[in-house]
Amino acid sequence: SQQGEEDPQALSIQEGENATMNCSYKTSINNLQWYRQNSGRGLVHLILIRSNEREKHSGRLRVTLDTSKKSSSLLITASRAADTASYFCATDAGTSYDKVIFGPGTSLSVIP
Amino acid sequence: EAEVAQSPRYKITEKSQAVAFWCDPISGHATLYWYRQILGQGPELLVQFQDESVVDDSQLPKDRFSAERLKGVDSTLKIQPAELGDSAMYLCASSDPGAPGNEQFFGPGTRLTVL
Repeated sequence: SQQGEEDPQALSIQEGENATMNCSYKTSINNLQWYRQNSGRGLVHLILIRSNEREKHSGRLRVTLDTSKKSSSLLITASRAADTASYFCATDAGTSYDKVIFGPGTSLSVIP
Repeated sequence: EAEVAQSPRYKITEKSQAVAFWCDPISGHATLYWYRQILGQGPELLVQFQDESVVDDSQLPKDRFSAERLKGVDSTLKIQPAELGDSAMYLCASSDPGAPGNEQFFGPGTRLTVL
């Protein structure tokens, strides 16, 4: 079963612009994570935000969480060509054993 | 820096053949995950181990897929017989349930093509 849904499915921007991706989910969560996947590679963890947090920063990344709307956003500022990748949100599945459910992802292309 | 190892990186097989994938998690990580990722989609959990025990295999097609983690370290995922619809990326990940947060560390994956 799919918990998170990213929006948009695909995004193309010019280098230097900001990129915003959104994730909506259906049931209450304890935390939400964002991962990046370069083409043909494994996923890399970017950031985790807990349900009692509203915003977190990590370098050029800013993540917000609105539990009332069951949504999160990932903002990448001053994008670079190297940011070209797929981005996935992952929500905990409410189990006792740290299971997470990944959304279908947003494919980001940053044009030099 | 410690990494999750997977082999092979690529596998081409014919339908009805058997295939096996291997994963070596980061040392000390008690939790190991096998995911299947179809092109253009997010990873789908096939099986999750805590040490040597299976804690979730609800999405594992048990008529053809099997997974084991003997001694609670490395793991093998097997498909027998392979079907055309099994073509996908198979990702292994590991995590330390005692660490803050729930970060999973992924291997590079095995790209399976079934002809």
